[in-house]
Amino acid sequence: IAGITQAPTSQILAAGRRMTLRCTQDMRHNAMYWYRQDLGLGLRLIHYSNTAGTTGKGEVPDGYSVSRANTDDFPLTLASAVPSQTSVYFCASSRTGSGANVLTFGAGSRLTVL
Amino acid sequence: AQTVTQSQPEMSVQEAETVTLSCTYDTSENNYYLFWYKQPPSRQMILVIRQEAYKQQNATENRFSVNFQKAAKSFSLKISDSQLGDTAMYFCAFMKLATSGTYKYIFGTGTRLKVLA
Repeated sequence: IAGITQAPTSQILAAGRRMTLRCTQDMRHNAMYWYRQDLGLGLRLIHYSNTAGTTGKGEVPDGYSVSRANTDDFPLTLASAVPSQTSVYFCASSRTGSGANVLTFGAGSRLTVL
Repeated sequence: AQTVTQSQPEMSVQEAETVTLSCTYDTSENNYYLFWYKQPPSRQMILVIRQEAYKQQNATENRFSVNFQKAAKSFSLKISDSQLGDTAMYFCAFMKLATSGTYKYIFGTGTRLKVLA
């Protein structure tokens, strides 16, 4: 089934630890995104990538880094986790080009930083 | 900067009734796209409906339809014949092509809809 796979589904992490959230898509979409979802704040963009080899900062990039070595994978790394990074993280992808480029989302990763 | 506002944090509706979720946005752009996404308790985000700003005709997908008022910058979602499975968080989203070449999506804060049996 075509789509986006995120791992882990859920994780509890001690503050100061490093954590990588994995995201893989099999739709050959050029663009990929990482959002965090917090109650009352909706979805906020952390980082994005328009195509393999390029990345950009979104609305809330501090404390996070990403890489895009190939089309399919877009991992999100928290170098030193802090409690304010407790959230649900969604990876998404879309095709690029003209038209209404619909976002396809993964199932999310719930991260708790203690 | 673009903003998307969903002024109804929570709503409820009786099964088989009709409910309308409101969404307003602010932009100086003329070409853009609007979406409604549904997030059920499973957490998976699912596209409900989309609307191209250049189209005057309101989009419809089965029981879901929108009332797109471009001049008023309003994009409400109407759910007819509500079903228990419609219980979810609903997000309104605005999308445009940014000058950087990125497709920029802005999401509202969501409306939690509960369908009552």
